[in-house]
Amino acid sequence: ETGVTQTPRHLVMGMTNKKSLKCEQHLGHNAMYWYKQSAKKPLELMFVYNFKEQTENNSVPSRFSPECPNSSHLFLHLHTLQPEDSALYLCASSQDVQGLSNTEAFFGQGTRLTVV
Amino acid sequence: GQQVMQIPQYQHVQEGEDFTTYCNSSTTLSNIQWYKQRPGGHPVFLIQLVKSGEVKKQKRLTFQFGEAKKNSSLHITATQTTDVGTYFCAGPRNYGQNFVFGPGTRLSVLP
Repeated sequence: ETGVTQTPRHLVMGMTNKKSLKCEQHLGHNAMYWYKQSAKKPLELMFVYNFKEQTENNSVPSRFSPECPNSSHLFLHLHTLQPEDSALYLCASSQDVQGLSNTEAFFGQGTRLTVV
Repeated sequence: GQQVMQIPQYQHVQEGEDFTTYCNSSTTLSNIQWYKQRPGGHPVFLIQLVKSGEVKKQKRLTFQFGEAKKNSSLHITATQTTDVGTYFCAGPRNYGQNFVFGPGTRLSVLP
């Protein structure tokens, strides 16, 4: 629909599990983002990639590990998560990094993550 | 750092009533964007405002950027049930930096 596809849509994992979230954009954009959205906090920017290079890490715990093999794909590797990490994880992309170009962000439908 | 605040947090209106949400920044914004997120959905871009005092309209939606570029508003005339959702404003944390989102205003429309 939006040109940004996230898989899986839902994920339940134990605190000792390792899992990965995948994001793919078909818009030819250069910048990609990971956001966390929980009930108690507004959209939190986690990571920013521009031309495959990480340009921002907003003090995210190391149990979240991003990977951007090319401008179209973005992964978020998860390990030893805590129940408070349960949230909706949204991927987004924009033509260029938003702060520099003021372009709009296109969001994927998100992965609803539950840590048990 | 820069903070973006929105009021109200929640708003319940009867269908046909008007609705307004306000966005305030602690610092001057170079521009501001508005997004809408339907229940169970993802944020979708609505509009961007750049100029001081700018007003833009999309059918029943009117967006305004303050003269000092530190506040913005979204006004919906004659709400419909399709307007239900959370409306977010977003602005750059600092010049050239990535956007920070406000906490959003959740709109409920009673038929």
